Amino acid sequence: DTAVSQTPKYLVTQMGNDKSIKCEQNLGHDTMYWYKQDSKKFLKIMFSYNNKELIINETVPNRFSPKSPDKAHLNLHINSLELGDSAVYFCASSDLEATYNSPLHFGNGTRLTVT
Amino acid sequence: KNEVEQSPQNLTAQEGEFITINCSYSVGISALHWLQQHPGGGIVSLFMLSSGKKKHGRLIATINIQEKHSSLHITASHPRDSAVYICAVRYTGGGADGLTFGKGTHLIIQP
Repeated sequence: DTAVSQTPKYLVTQMGNDKSIKCEQNLGHDTMYWYKQDSKKFLKIMFSYNNKELIINETVPNRFSPKSPDKAHLNLHINSLELGDSAVYFCASSDLEATYNSPLHFGNGTRLTVT
Repeated sequence: KNEVEQSPQNLTAQEGEFITINCSYSVGISALHWLQQHPGGGIVSLFMLSSGKKKHGRLIATINIQEKHSSLHITASHPRDSAVYICAVRYTGGGADGLTFGKGTHLIIQP
């Protein structure tokens, strides 16, 4: 009955590969997010997406692309992986339509290591 | 520039001590979040507040809108409270999620 689940938990891959991280939420939330946490534990927003709008943080390279097959899923695709992409990636969701200041619910993170 | 400053960056205390973590921000906000990240990596939302004070168990969060400052208090601290505590504020029109994050406070409670 996990609220926000993301897979895989660990992902080790080589430079140049293409990989995906999946995220699903069963909370009925209308908005999902992808965050990147660097080695210093600093969280940065990458994308937010609801059924109306995709908002992209301008600092995110276009090698990263979110794909949402439906309201409960927001997958992260990464092309041509680089060493600097190594980080922990967190999926999250909230219910912005219910209240603009809805709490965030996070997945457990995916630790990506690019070698 | 809208920034979120947390202090201290690192805090080590003995079990049972009263803990205070501070968060200050630069302009008006609509809400402030306190998040907890355990050594295992998962992030949990502790509080979301826009005024006053909230309490949950041994955790208390306060916010002073006029002073642009929030504090997270832990009473009777326990080793299981060891985690990174992150403050995030929602600025009007800010970013893809409207949130600006602090860099976190790394708390260690020693038995």
